[in-house]
Amino acid sequence: GAGVSQTPSNKVTEKGKYVELRCDPISGHTALYWYRQSLGQGPEFLIYFQGTGAADDSGLPNDRFFAVRPEGSVSTLKIQRTERGDSAVYLCASSQPGTGELFFGEGSRLTVL
Amino acid sequence: QKEVEQDPGPLSVPEGAIVSLNCTYSNSAFQYFMWYRQYSRKGPELLMYTYSSGNKEDGRFTAQVDKSSKYISLFIRDSQPSDSATYLCAMQFGNEKLTFGTGTRLTIIP
Repeated sequence: GAGVSQTPSNKVTEKGKYVELRCDPISGHTALYWYRQSLGQGPEFLIYFQGTGAADDSGLPNDRFFAVRPEGSVSTLKIQRTERGDSAVYLCASSQPGTGELFFGEGSRLTVL
Repeated sequence: QKEVEQDPGPLSVPEGAIVSLNCTYSNSAFQYFMWYRQYSRKGPELLMYTYSSGNKEDGRFTAQVDKSSKYISLFIRDSQPSDSATYLCAMQFGNEKLTFGTGTRLTIIP
């Protein structure tokens, strides 16, 4: 596709469940970012991949959050034992390193009941 | 204190007015300064990108950076209803992550 694709667009789950969110970046973009955006707030950095490896995971809030990018393209953000405070829009972005321009997907809206 | 401060608004102005949006920051290491526009239920999209202090103009949009004051601005001339969105400032050093402001919600009234 032409842009960053994120699935699912909406996910409703119950407290304590496991959730996976998927991001398919723009073809050829080596850098991939995950951000989280709560209502009325700006995007908050979670993790950044350069190729297959996590170059910076300092934004992951705790060990319930984990992300992978095994082949350097598609990435999956995994959240274990979800809590109500995890409810937010999870945004994925991709870029070519050094350009400064991140291309964002439309986000996955997670609601934890 | 947050690294990047931005007034969340909301800000409402009549169509045709000049809009001024601002951010301040505390980290002097930031080198790159961006403005993103975000429509409701969409991802942010890059509007303006600047590297050094000074002005950069693109159509009706002007981005201004004052590194000595750690202050950046976005001006929108001849504002249109289609400009109604949330405007996010973002900053970066090197190839590191972007750090975003809270976003200012702007409404242009026809």
